[in-house]
Amino acid sequence: NAGVTQTPKFQVLKTGQSMTLQCAQDMNHEYMSWYRQDPGMGLRLIHYSVGAGITDQGEVPNGYNVSRSTTEDFPLRLLSAAPSQTSVYFCASSGNRGLLQYFGPGTRLTVT
Amino acid sequence: KQEVTQIPAALSVPEGENLVLNCSFTDSAIYNLQWFRQDPGKGLTSLLLIQSSQREQTSGRLNASLDKSSGRSTLYIAASQPGDSATYLCAVRPLAEGGKLIFGQGTELSVKP
Repeated sequence: NAGVTQTPKFQVLKTGQSMTLQCAQDMNHEYMSWYRQDPGMGLRLIHYSVGAGITDQGEVPNGYNVSRSTTEDFPLRLLSAAPSQTSVYFCASSGNRGLLQYFGPGTRLTVT
Repeated sequence: KQEVTQIPAALSVPEGENLVLNCSFTDSAIYNLQWFRQDPGKGLTSLLLIQSSQREQTSGRLNASLDKSSGRSTLYIAASQPGDSATYLCAVRPLAEGGKLIFGQGTELSVKP
């Protein structure tokens, strides 16, 4: 199993550009989520999904969209990038609430 | 609102010492608590998961305890090694909401040879 994979690893965007961060898992996990990690702020939940077709907002959802059309994929879309979205983004998945969450390697995004 | 706090923010110990990292949370309505390790510039590696009905979990030199009623968890590392140097994060999974973790800010551990 590849586990949780994220692409790209690094990305530089200009303010106003849009892009999609990809996340995929091959463990048939129901739960998937996106976090951002910022110095001094820790990890904060952006959006999460409890199954295909079901998504919900986390703590910091503004400026981001998600969809979950398949069990395996959970892309995160930045609609119009802003410097405040410069961060490291992690995708995570778990089989159900009682099980371990597995994290991807992260995407380091810089918005200039 | 659930809040998770980790103290201390940073810790430096000589190799071979036993040490304890602390995690506290404000709402005892949790499904489980998970401890992670994060190396600089890397992702999170899960260390231990404690269900709300459990008191402790062990893996090798690591032992995590949970006292849900007092809102506390500890991560005990025995016979620390320089390779243990990393940031350690605890996270709780609230009962009411599926699929999300609430993280502490982490403890940055440095083990000196």
